[in-house]
Amino acid sequence: LAKTTQPISMDSYEGQEVNITCSHNNIATNDYITWYQQFPSQGPRFIIQGYKTKVTNEVASLFIPADRKSSTLSLPRVSLSDTAVYYCLVGGGYQKVTFGIGTKLQVIP
Amino acid sequence: EAQVTQNPRYLITVTGKKLTVTCSQNMNHEYMSWYRQDPGLGLRQIYYSMNVEVTDKGDVPEGYKVSRKEKRNFPLILESPSPNQTSLYFCASSLSYGGPTYEQYFGPGTRLTVT
Repeated sequence: LAKTTQPISMDSYEGQEVNITCSHNNIATNDYITWYQQFPSQGPRFIIQGYKTKVTNEVASLFIPADRKSSTLSLPRVSLSDTAVYYCLVGGGYQKVTFGIGTKLQVIP
Repeated sequence: EAQVTQNPRYLITVTGKKLTVTCSQNMNHEYMSWYRQDPGLGLRQIYYSMNVEVTDKGDVPEGYKVSRKEKRNFPLILESPSPNQTSLYFCASSLSYGGPTYEQYFGPGTRLTVT
């Protein structure tokens, strides 16, 4: 399983774009990159997943450079309701899952 | 409605009294998993199951048992609970049709306190 490193916490003002970067230097060829969001006392919620280049959905964008050793989750125009913990996961297939401690995003009014 | 359900949602028990936390999903998912979440430690996987009768250890399996006799159910069993198993527990499921299994759907959580 590829180990991931992401900032422990970030602050952002409402309406700004937030970028959270995750490092995964030993990502394997078959690994996907997945991001989850978790609110206090709730289970994590899948946000976005990608393998390479850029993926966009209604919630976020995921940027993956050609070497795939890092990835950036981009949240456009955050609101107070985006205050949560964001987890970067790397892997795929039938295997153990490691969430880590994630990035705590605090959106400030 | 597609969902993962857990019961009970809250449980206070005493050391050594066997308990089971149930988990059920209605999405016909092959992959199911249990996690515990503790302050400062994030989410840690306890056990996972790739299909009926196929289970494997996660990162913190000690003190726990699981079984997967039916596709939809994946109970977590604590044979002799101890205070260090006081935690917030989540069950999750996902499809595993050969692609990445990381789009997991999580249950609402079970807050367990062992005194």
